[in-house]
Amino acid sequence: NAGVTQTPKFQVLKTGQSMTLQCAQDMNHEYMSWYRQDPGMGLRLIHYSVGAGITDQGEVPNGYNVSRSTTEDFPLRLLSAAPSQTSVYFCASGRTGSGNTIYFGEGSWLTVV
Amino acid sequence: AQSVSQHNHHVILSEAASLELGCNYSYGGTVNLFWYVQYPGQHLQLLLKYFSGDPLVKGIKGFEAEFIKSKFSFNLRKPSVQWSDTAEYFCAVILLSNDYKLSFGAGTTVTVRA
Repeated sequence: NAGVTQTPKFQVLKTGQSMTLQCAQDMNHEYMSWYRQDPGMGLRLIHYSVGAGITDQGEVPNGYNVSRSTTEDFPLRLLSAAPSQTSVYFCASGRTGSGNTIYFGEGSWLTVV
Repeated sequence: AQSVSQHNHHVILSEAASLELGCNYSYGGTVNLFWYVQYPGQHLQLLLKYFSGDPLVKGIKGFEAEFIKSKFSFNLRKPSVQWSDTAEYFCAVILLSNDYKLSFGAGTTVTVRA
């Protein structure tokens, strides 16, 4: 996982609560992204960024916000958690351009009750 | 829109059998291609990647994949699987355009029986 740090690893939320999943990397990677993993659906892209100040929506952005104020950090915010957001979340980062590998964090298990 | 298709949802094999997992993508630009593996309860690990050059790439743990540009495919193979290859396998693609993002297929669960 080459230095992609996600916190927390486990979290239980009540419906309607807000929280932030943190993601940090110290490799000066331009590209950072958030995915959710659900059984039978693979990893679906939530939001991504190709540099500080730049963010864009992925396949399933609803209910999630992101910001990229620094190169190192890419937090994912759930403003009002819903049971449908129960999932495993992965942060990823890498250099842009051909030939570069994308590295993944260890995952954050989120349960919304 | 990017689309990555993995042909098999679940594959069950016996040890020493050969494995081939299909992956197709649906855009014609220049791509980077990846296969990742996820062992039970663990995070994603890179098995192999293709960027350019020889379309047959070798990865870790005896896996290889072949890029066939005309078929938009990047199939993963292993000649002889082991019980420890039981895992979920994901194909992923980056389209090298000004919209740089990594997109995944739905994954294939591989179960190897001893």
